[in-house]
Amino acid sequence: EAQVTQNPRYLITVTGKKLTVTCSQNMNHEYMSWYRQDPGLGLRQIYYSMNVEVTDKGDVPEGYKVSRKEKRNFPLILESPSPNQTSLYFCASSLIPGEKLFFGSGTQLSVL
Amino acid sequence: EDQVTQSPEALRLQEGESSSLNCSYTVSGLRGLFWYRQDPGKGPEFLFTLYSAGEEKEKERLKATLTKKESFLHITAPKPEDSATYLCAVRPGGYQKVTFGTGTKLQVIP
Repeated sequence: EAQVTQNPRYLITVTGKKLTVTCSQNMNHEYMSWYRQDPGLGLRQIYYSMNVEVTDKGDVPEGYKVSRKEKRNFPLILESPSPNQTSLYFCASSLIPGEKLFFGSGTQLSVL
Repeated sequence: EDQVTQSPEALRLQEGESSSLNCSYTVSGLRGLFWYRQDPGKGPEFLFTLYSAGEEKEKERLKATLTKKESFLHITAPKPEDSATYLCAVRPGGYQKVTFGTGTKLQVIP
């Protein structure tokens, strides 16, 4: 079954404690991206990747890092989380960059 | 700066009552406009891609249309299972970024 898998589904942490949200896809897609979803602001793109070792900033990259060492994996790293990063995060992938995105189930992050 | 504005924010319909959702956009050289459906607690699910003005796509009770400034998602004789948030997104030409609107939350009452 074609899918994008994110882990964990829920995460509660404290300010400054480094965390990683994992994302993996099994469709051999070259394009992967991360979004955060906040009430009233919609989905905003954090980072995207066109292929292995090729990443670029989206609209809200501050405070986040990504890496793309393998085609199937695209982890999101928060090195020093802050409360304003409390949000619902989605990973997505697609065959054509930015088109017909397949989304994961989301990670609800709370930073206390 | 690319902008996507969706209206209304929320829409409540009786089962069988047809209506339309609007997506107005400002983008430099539209590469594609996309519609997604999002159910509570889940990731968005792709519905349609529209590439050029005049294009239309249909799927069951949904029909998406595109002009040079806006897109409409027409819902014909909706059922309660059509209740969801509908998201519109655009991709500008020459870029791989995607900009989403804030969505229209549709509730269909039996």
